[in-house]
Amino acid sequence: NAGVTQTPKFQVLKTGQSMTLQCAQDMNHEYMSWYRQDPGMGLRLIHYSVGAGITDQGEVPNGYNVSRSTTEDFPLRLLSAAPSQTSVYFCASSSVGSGYTFGSGTRLTVV
Amino acid sequence: AQRVTQPEKLLSVFKGAPVELKCNYSYSGSPELFWYVQYSRQRLQLLLRHISRESIKGFTADLNKGETSFHLKKPFAQEEDSAMYYCALSSTGNQFYFGTGTSLTVIP
Repeated sequence: NAGVTQTPKFQVLKTGQSMTLQCAQDMNHEYMSWYRQDPGMGLRLIHYSVGAGITDQGEVPNGYNVSRSTTEDFPLRLLSAAPSQTSVYFCASSSVGSGYTFGSGTRLTVV
Repeated sequence: AQRVTQPEKLLSVFKGAPVELKCNYSYSGSPELFWYVQYSRQRLQLLLRHISRESIKGFTADLNKGETSFHLKKPFAQEEDSAMYYCALSSTGNQFYFGTGTSLTVIP
């Protein structure tokens, strides 16, 4: 049981580049979300999805897009990377009554 | 609106001393409260949740609805407890709100 798998683990981007952070879960969880973790600011919700075909914005959605075409996958797209998006990104999934299961994180640096 | 407050960014205690990590929340309904732990450069892991009323790694937390608190406690801190701790609230069973975290250092 792999749980929540995130790829890549590390990434360096140049300002203006785009990329997709992958997230997949094999627990048939209906709820998936993306957080960014920054020092002193804790975890901030970027986007979330309550099921396939349904997504919504969280606290800090600007500069990011998501889609949920399947229950398993919830990719996060950076449209035009900026230094302010340097962060550690965590994907998480849950079902009703369970806590979050987190991925191992993606450490992104934008130069 | 839902809000989770962890007033201490940093907390240091000596090995063997008691430790308490504070968490206060604001929510008008009946929330579910959780504590997550993140060891250095690892993923967040669920430590405990209030509805299970269990003790994990010697940690306990009691939901105090009158004080809207869910403080995490351990009577004797160990070096391996050094980590980042996040308190979280779930209102719908799915969406979670996290505090800003407390970094605990246990001094040998």
